Amino acid sequence: EVQLVESGGGLVQPGGSLRLSCAASEFTFSDYSMNWVRQAPGKGLEWVSYISSSSSAMYYSDSVKGRFTISRDNAKNSLFLQMNSLRDEDTAVYYCARVMVEWFLSEYYYYMDVWGKGTTVTVSS
Amino acid sequence: SSDLTQDPAVSVALGQTVRITCQGGSLRNYYASWYQQKPGQAPILVIYGKNNRPSGIPDRFSGSSSGNTASLTITGAQAEDEADYYCNSRDSSGNHLTFGGGTKLTVL
Repeated sequence: EVQLVESGGGLVQPGGSLRLSCAASEFTFSDYSMNWVRQAPGKGLEWVSYISSSSSAMYYSDSVKGRFTISRDNAKNSLFLQMNSLRDEDTAVYYCARVMVEWFLSEYYYYMDVWGKGTTVTVSS
Repeated sequence: SSDLTQDPAVSVALGQTVRITCQGGSLRNYYASWYQQKPGQAPILVIYGKNNRPSGIPDRFSGSSSGNTASLTITGAQAEDEADYYCNSRDSSGNHLTFGGGTKLTVL
């Protein structure tokens, strides 16, 4: 079964750091771009960061740019999110998600077809 | 705030049809994808592209798009369809993603 499993969440003080991991299984991880998406308590989904399959392209939301770093290790089928200078507003469940990009005739499809169950990050003093 | 706008809540009688909409300028250039999320669970993909369903998603779910509006339609809503629904697309820059604020669907 194609699967993504996040880990590394926990309680951290404001200004602290945390590194999230996402372990992929049952698919060729190196063929796919990946996203991190988060959800604050009682709120909607928020895209956080993107990394291409070869790590040649990385993008960040304005809310985390300069503080978070996305990376991956294709040899270990793993995705990471290094989170520094954490703020209260970073408290959320963090999901990793597999990116699918398809061209059908002249149409372009971009979507996330596999999601992990999430890991919870709580930033609080 | 989101670049994609959804109604916060919609209700539908059991077995009836409901349309959930998503509006935003980026939808003129990119198709939306739609995700269903039930309490305490991760989102799951229900519609992507013009009108494509992943395997395992019932055919009562369909999608459409016109101008700056994408729609998710559930034809014959079931009790198990009660959930939050989010639209998503690339943003106007093309490099970032944006989600709608979500629509809470209640099946009466």
